[in-house]
Order: sequence, then structure tokens, then C-alpha cells
Amino acid sequence: GAVVSQHPSRVICKSGTSVKIECRSLDFQATTMFWYRQFPKQSLMLMATSNEGSKATYEQGVEKDKFLINHASLTLSTLTVTSAHPEDSSFYICSADSGQGTYGYTFGSGTRLTVV
Amino acid sequence: AQSVTQLDSHVSVSEGTPVLLRCNYSSSYSPSLFWYVQHPNKGLQLLLKYTSAATLVKGINGFEAEFKKSETSFHLTKPSAHMSDAAEYFCVVTAAGFQKLVFGTGTRLLVSP
Repeated sequence: GAVVSQHPSRVICKSGTSVKIECRSLDFQATTMFWYRQFPKQSLMLMATSNEGSKATYEQGVEKDKFLINHASLTLSTLTVTSAHPEDSSFYICSADSGQGTYGYTFGSGTRLTVV
Repeated sequence: AQSVTQLDSHVSVSEGTPVLLRCNYSSSYSPSLFWYVQHPNKGLQLLLKYTSAATLVKGINGFEAEFKKSETSFHLTKPSAHMSDAAEYFCVVTAAGFQKLVFGTGTRLLVSP
């Protein structure tokens, strides 16, 4: 089946530094990937839609200059949290369309970001 | 616009007893509905999906859900809970042809021995 690998699973960084999170589709090509943020004991909130070869589409209220998304190939999308602050600490999850539209979205295992 | 309401934030059952997780949806279009499960600090796994075919949908691990248009509901059930079912469950809606998934607030299922 379709597999999405997300790396790293956990990261701790200092305030003011940047962190990159990778999302890879291992056995399929994904023209579209999605990035979600999940606060403790809350639901997933869509941050942005990442399209291969074009600019990401950000949801209202998400700072595109802070959360940089790059989707340079059909198997890799990256989310970079720039100038991280403690309030950016969260669980970030990516998902990819394995070719069946919404019926075939596959999720990564998530990245726990802690900014100290 | 689409939305889902998960009526219970927590559900507690004993192992071997039935599970019912409730979800009501709102959609301006013919909806597609999903249930996902999330174990602690893990990604999401698709349990089942409704895509306008059969209204009773069977999923993995013995779960099933019934789409009831008249009640705008898509409740998740399982006849007999197992300890490994303890997790967070999300009801999700989207409209056909739309890419965005809209998540409910989640229901935490607790299973006691």
C-alpha cells in the first residue's frame, strides 16, 4: 500500500532557529501533499496544500513566510519552520494523495516539534 | 461549507463490549465521509470511507459505519472492543471533487479490562 515517510519524528530546537521537516511518498508519486498542525488533544488543522512545481496554497491565518513549503519533486515536500518560537511547538503531520483523490490520502507518522 | 461534529470528546467502554462513536456532518454537496484513527504520537490510519456507494461501510479491525442522510450522521461502531482500540478517532468530511479534508474535534476511546 501507499506509504508516506515523515522525518524527523521528534525534534527539539532553540528559539530563533529554523527546522525542516520532510515528507516523502515512498512508493507512489504525489502531485499534492498537505501539511497539518495538531495542538495537544485537539484536531488537525490544515496549514497548507503543497503542489509539485508550484507555490503552496496557505490556509487563512497561516504565515507563509514563517512556514515555508517546498515541493520540488513528486515524492518530496518539506516544511521549514523559520525563526521558531515556543508557540510553534506542536505536532505536524503531512499527507499525500496516492492517486485516488480524497479517497486515497495517506498520512505520515508526524513530527513532534518542541521549541525551547 | 463542510463540517463535522463529534458528539463525544471521550468514550469509555469495557473490553468485549460494543463501541459507538457518534458523528454528525454538514455539507452543501454530496459528502464523502471518513473515519481515521490516531494512536499516541502517531500519524493517522484510515479505518473506513463512505463514497456514495453502500450506506453501510465496513472497515478494518472490525469497525463499521452507517451513512444516514436523513439524520446527517455517520456513526462508527464495533461489536466488541479490544484493548488495542484505545486511541483517538476522527470523523472527516469532504465534498466530491474537493481536496480538503475537514476534521472533527476527535473522540478519545478508552478501553478498560
